[in-house]
Amino acid sequence: QVHLVQSGDEVKKPGASVKVSCKAYGYTFPGQGISWVRQAPGQGLEWMGWINTYNENTHYAQTFQGRVTMTTVTSTSTAYMELRNLRSDDTALYFCTRDQTAPGTMDVWGKGTTVIVSS
Amino acid sequence: DIQMTQSPSSLSASVGDRVTITCQASQDIYNYLNWYQQKPGQAPNLLIYDASNLETGVPSRFSGSGSGTKFTFTINSLQPEDVATYYCQHYENLPLTFGGGTKVEIK
Repeated sequence: QVHLVQSGDEVKKPGASVKVSCKAYGYTFPGQGISWVRQAPGQGLEWMGWINTYNENTHYAQTFQGRVTMTTVTSTSTAYMELRNLRSDDTALYFCTRDQTAPGTMDVWGKGTTVIVSS
Repeated sequence: DIQMTQSPSSLSASVGDRVTITCQASQDIYNYLNWYQQKPGQAPNLLIYDASNLETGVPSRFSGSGSGTKFTFTINSLQPEDVATYYCQHYENLPLTFGGGTKVEIK
């Protein structure tokens, strides 16, 4: 069935980078876009950006511009989100989601990858 | 950015009660609104898209309505398995933004 499998939890030091993977199963990839959403501990949901899985066009939230890069590898049906120059307030649960051919409705979610940023 | 304001932030109701959550957008978003359910320790799950359309497999006790700037999400007969936080989310433009969430508990 359709599902997204994310990479394992990470612990990083401030200033480091993290790259989270998201492998798609059960549907055609490339196809619909992938959005990334994060959730800080005890907080709400924050959209980070979206990637077109056909041509790798991206839309990033202004908050993350210059620090985030979203990519895909079609041959393995995998999307990646790299966040650089990590700060303590980047500690969060990061979700990949199956979105539409334009950013909008996220109908399939990965289970999430916890990223802890701590010295 | 479009601000999404949800109310209440939490509520407690009895099994079988009708529960209503509202979501107000800071500008007209037409019907470009989704509702998600997030159970404790789980990823969010899409329940309603385009303000009023029930996602496949979602129980019919869930419903959504509204357009423009004011939207409503209803659980018609609250069940124990509905304990969760519910979020609205617009997609009228970028960035996509979510409401602050409504935590629903059983009394």
